[in-house]
Amino acid sequence: DTGVSQNPRHKITKRGQNVTFRCDPISEHNRLYWYRQTLGQGPEFLTYFQNEAQLEKSRLLSDRFSAERPKGSFSTLEIQRTEQGDSAMYLCASSSSTGGGASSQETQYFGPGTRLLVL
Amino acid sequence: AQKITQTQPGMFVQEKEAVTLDCTYDTSDPSYGLFWYKQPSSGEMIFLIYQGSYDQQNATEGRYSLNFQKARKSANLVISASQLGDSAMYFCAMREYNQGGKLIFGQGTELSVKP
Repeated sequence: DTGVSQNPRHKITKRGQNVTFRCDPISEHNRLYWYRQTLGQGPEFLTYFQNEAQLEKSRLLSDRFSAERPKGSFSTLEIQRTEQGDSAMYLCASSSSTGGGASSQETQYFGPGTRLLVL
Repeated sequence: AQKITQTQPGMFVQEKEAVTLDCTYDTSDPSYGLFWYKQPSSGEMIFLIYQGSYDQQNATEGRYSLNFQKARKSANLVISASQLGDSAMYFCAMREYNQGGKLIFGQGTELSVKP
């Protein structure tokens, strides 16, 4: 059973360039989450999908950020016109939502992350 | 207001001893879940333990246990018999069931295990 994978693991880009990250979740998981983590902080939620539907987006997700999960499997996160403040670790997680409400543990399993450095 | 507070930026523990990492939370949602994750220097977040707000007993997973005090809104992680490989960042996180699936994380505690 493979875990969550993310590519690339590292990305260095110049300010103003576009970048795209990919996340492949655990195969049977229907939910996929994106988080951003800056140095010395805990991860912050960006957005999540249930199957191919994007159910929630954080205010952190400016209009330069777009995420897709076209077939309900892998997801991509694109950042347009990168800024130095976008430098961070971008984490993807997946989970299996059974709709059990309050009794649902729904553990999120994380990938290794993509470290982005914007010069 | 901070929803998850971890007041210990760094902790040291001697190998083979037990250590408690503090976490307090703030929510008005009666249904929530609390999670602890470990993040080694490699960066991957590793799930350790979960406690649901309606669970009557404290969660345990091997050397990890969660000291859940609902009235105090605290969910401290206890690691018994520390090992050198336990050196890492530890994050407490909460999921509020009326707020969708997202996790809210604290700022983390860096644990260093001394030989």
